[in-house]
Amino acid sequence: QQPVQSPQAVILREGEDAVINCSSSKALYSVHWYRQKHGEAPIFLMILLKGGEQKGHDKISASFNEKKQQSSLYLTASQLSYSGTYFCGTGSQGGSEKLVFGKGTKLTVNP
Amino acid sequence: DAGITQSPRHKVTETGTPVTLRCHQTENHRYMYWYRQDPGHGLRLIHYSYGVKDTDKGEVSDGYSVSRSKTEDFLLTLESATSSQTSVYFCAIRKGQNNSPLHFGNGTRLTVT
Repeated sequence: QQPVQSPQAVILREGEDAVINCSSSKALYSVHWYRQKHGEAPIFLMILLKGGEQKGHDKISASFNEKKQQSSLYLTASQLSYSGTYFCGTGSQGGSEKLVFGKGTKLTVNP
Repeated sequence: DAGITQSPRHKVTETGTPVTLRCHQTENHRYMYWYRQDPGHGLRLIHYSYGVKDTDKGEVSDGYSVSRSKTEDFLLTLESATSSQTSVYFCAIRKGQNNSPLHFGNGTRLTVT
C-alpha cells in the first residue's frame, strides 16, 4: 500500500521553507527520500530508520516518527535547484527490501 | 554513475505483442527492482529480485513477468502488451542490504499503440 504524501504540490520563492509529509497505514521500518528532476531518474537524498532519528543534508533534513508512522522532509532557505518532485519510499519490518513509494510532491522554486 | 544500463531507452509497440526490457548492472549487487512511473501514481513496484532466480511480486505485477538468470541482468517481460502498460519503466539496484539506498537507471519509455 502506497504511503500518502502531502501536499501534492507546492510553489515557493527562493529562500522560503517547505515541509513535505509522508504517512503510512503500516508500521514502518525505514523511510527513504528521493528527488526527481523532469525527464531524469530519481536521485537518493537520505534514509531514516525507526528510532525517530533526524538527518540532515545541507539545508535539507528529515525526521521519522515511527509511532505516528510518518516522516517529514524539511527544505530550508530553498534554492532554485531544489525544484523537482520528491518521493518518499517506505519499507516495512520483515519486508524492507520491498520499497513502496508515494505519489510524489512537486516542488517549484521561483526566483 | 550507478553502473545501471536500461535497454532500450525508447520503444513503440503494438497491442498484443510481447516486449522485453533489459536492466544490466556492472557491480554484482543482489537486489534489483522494476518500477513503472505514471502521472498521478508516482513510482509503483512491479517485481523485484533478491538473487539469481529469486524474484517476488510488487504492487502492480499483473501482466508482467521477470527473469534473473544472471546476477547482472534483470529482464521485464510484457507477454502481451496493452495500452495501459504505456509508461516509463525504471530499473533500480540496491547497493547493499536492506537499509541501503536505491540507484535508478535512466528509464525506458514504452508506448503501446
